[in-house]
Amino acid sequence: DAGVTQSPTHLIKTRGQHVTLRCSPISGHKSVSWYQQVLGQGPQFIFQYYEKEERGRGNFPDRFSARQFPNYSSELNVNALLLGDSALYLCASSLAGLVTEAFFGQGTRLTVV
Amino acid sequence: AQSVAQPEDQVNVAEGNPLTVKCTYSVSGNPYLFWYVQYPNRGLQFLLKYITGDNLVKGSYGFEAEFNKSQTSFHLKKPSALVSDSALYFCAVPTAGGYQKVTFGIGTKLQVIP
Repeated sequence: DAGVTQSPTHLIKTRGQHVTLRCSPISGHKSVSWYQQVLGQGPQFIFQYYEKEERGRGNFPDRFSARQFPNYSSELNVNALLLGDSALYLCASSLAGLVTEAFFGQGTRLTVV
Repeated sequence: AQSVAQPEDQVNVAEGNPLTVKCTYSVSGNPYLFWYVQYPNRGLQFLLKYITGDNLVKGSYGFEAEFNKSQTSFHLKKPSALVSDSALYFCAVPTAGGYQKVTFGIGTKLQVIP
């Protein structure tokens, strides 16, 4: 069975640009969460979607947005990129919306120059 | 607010020796606690979780964790370390409300020395 897949694996963008990151959850998983991991820190929660609805949002500016599609895949969008947005973006999927272990993809390494 | 603390940036242990990676928590109500491991340039892998029940939780790859309510700790342990255990370890706690808004610790780098 395929795990959580994220695309692209690496990305270089210029300040002010827009980026879209994609995530496909494990088959049967209806919950997708997004995290930002800056070098040397633990992952920081950005969003959780369950059954296509936003169920949680972390302390990130409105430049960050996300959505979940009918097939439960998800996109994370970031507008007006800043140098500080450079990070590893992780997607996690889980069976349900409530507390259970999450399975992470390998992440998208975003570099903003 | 729910939070976890990992007091050690790095832990060094000789191969074959027991290892402990420390985590303390600050949680209102009954805590749910997780341990994850991250290998270089990889996503996080789930190791184990504490929900309720036995204070000693067994997980993947021979790891276990001991929940101690009086000390508000959830230390990760393994009886005999392998070089391949060298990685970054994160303690984590979901927020109140139960959804997948998980707060991670800053991480502890485990270095197993051959």
